Amino acid sequence: GAGVSQSPRYKVAKRGQDVALRCDPISGHVSLFWYQQALGQGPEFLTYFQNEAQLDKSGLPSDRFFAERPEGSVSTLKIQRTQQEDSAVYLCASSPRDWELTDTQYFGPGTRLTVL
Amino acid sequence: GQQVMQIPQYQHVQEGEDFTTYCNSSTTLSNIQWYKQRPGGHPVFLIQLVKSGEVKKQKRLTFQFGEAKKNSSLHITATQTTDVGTYFCAGPRGSQGNLIFGKGTKLSVKP
Repeated sequence: GAGVSQSPRYKVAKRGQDVALRCDPISGHVSLFWYQQALGQGPEFLTYFQNEAQLDKSGLPSDRFFAERPEGSVSTLKIQRTQQEDSAVYLCASSPRDWELTDTQYFGPGTRLTVL
Repeated sequence: GQQVMQIPQYQHVQEGEDFTTYCNSSTTLSNIQWYKQRPGGHPVFLIQLVKSGEVKKQKRLTFQFGEAKKNSSLHITATQTTDVGTYFCAGPRGSQGNLIFGKGTKLSVKP
């Protein structure tokens, strides 16, 4: 596609529910990142994939957060037993090649998660 | 841990006035990137600076990377209402790939 797409754009969950957020990166992009952006804050890193390999998950805030990219393209971020503090915009970004420090990232529109 | 700080947090200007946001890193950066996020939108890449003391211009926007590669600035000349949004700087976390973002400077422009 023309850019990174994410679905759903908006998700309202009751506390304790599980949610799954989807990211479709730009076709052919090797690197994929998930970020969490709280209101009024900058994006904060969650996890990084190079193709299907999850190379860094140091930013995941708890074991309730799980991400996968089984075929090296679409990625899913799953949050189990959602809590109110999980409310945020979840951004996905992709980059064309194996990540280099000077590469840029192309962001999707984000999924706004509200946990009631 | 490594931190990236931005000031000011908010800036309100009259259309036509200049605007500057400053970014400071607690560590030396291999490069720094700037993103713009419109209200309700997602971060959009603006530019990357790599060299010490580098200055780059994009029309009314001027980006600078400090000599020590620990600070950067974005200056907008003669702001327009289309400049409204939050400007983020971001740098690589150590030798890893993921980016550390500042908290951003939210610019509002009064016509």
